[in-house]
Amino acid sequence: GQQVMQIPQYQHVQEGEDFTTYCNSSTTLSNIQWYKQRPGGHPVFLIQLVKSGEVKKQKRLTFQFGEAKKNSSLHITATQTTDVGTYFCAGDFYLTQGGSEKLVFGKGTKLTVNP
Amino acid sequence: DARVTQTPRHKVTEMGQEVTMRCQPILGHNTVFWYRQTMMQGLELLAYFRNRAPLDDSGMPKDRFSAEMPDATLATLKIQPSEPRDSAVYFCASGFGVSTEAFFGQGTRLTVV
Repeated sequence: GQQVMQIPQYQHVQEGEDFTTYCNSSTTLSNIQWYKQRPGGHPVFLIQLVKSGEVKKQKRLTFQFGEAKKNSSLHITATQTTDVGTYFCAGDFYLTQGGSEKLVFGKGTKLTVNP
Repeated sequence: DARVTQTPRHKVTEMGQEVTMRCQPILGHNTVFWYRQTMMQGLELLAYFRNRAPLDDSGMPKDRFSAEMPDATLATLKIQPSEPRDSAVYFCASGFGVSTEAFFGQGTRLTVV
């Protein structure tokens, strides 16, 4: 079945350090979405990447989509305590059989930031 | 401020009992998703609907789970009979299709004892 592998599972950083989480799929994705879930909260959409090699920035967050549209990364520069939470990627698979789509979430990277 | 509303927020039930979780999607959204979140499995897609029609329920144990959309403002997820392994947080989300932003509800935390 469709799977999205996300690493690392946990990341603990000192405030001010950078953070990166990676997602990988064995098959080509239609697009990839990124979500953030604060402790005790619900996933909140951050961004969607659609084009091969796409790079998007949101303040200190940089999102990349690989050239083959099989991998993606989220990089946070100079982490702050407000960045604490779990970051999920979600790969959009277009299923040629049946022509349907499926959004599959990675297991997430839990980020903790030491002030 | 439009948002997805889920009820109840918390539910504790005994094994064997029926559980019904409800979701009110954002008005105008045509796609509704049900996800289950556990520490071990992460976020799993159980089922999703487009224009109230079920499109994919392959992630749902069919013998005990059922998902319906009686109308455009209500989606339900039922478990009958419930088992301790069903303990999880169940999220409903809505949007304009799989390829666009999904808006998640606050979730229902289910504990089956």
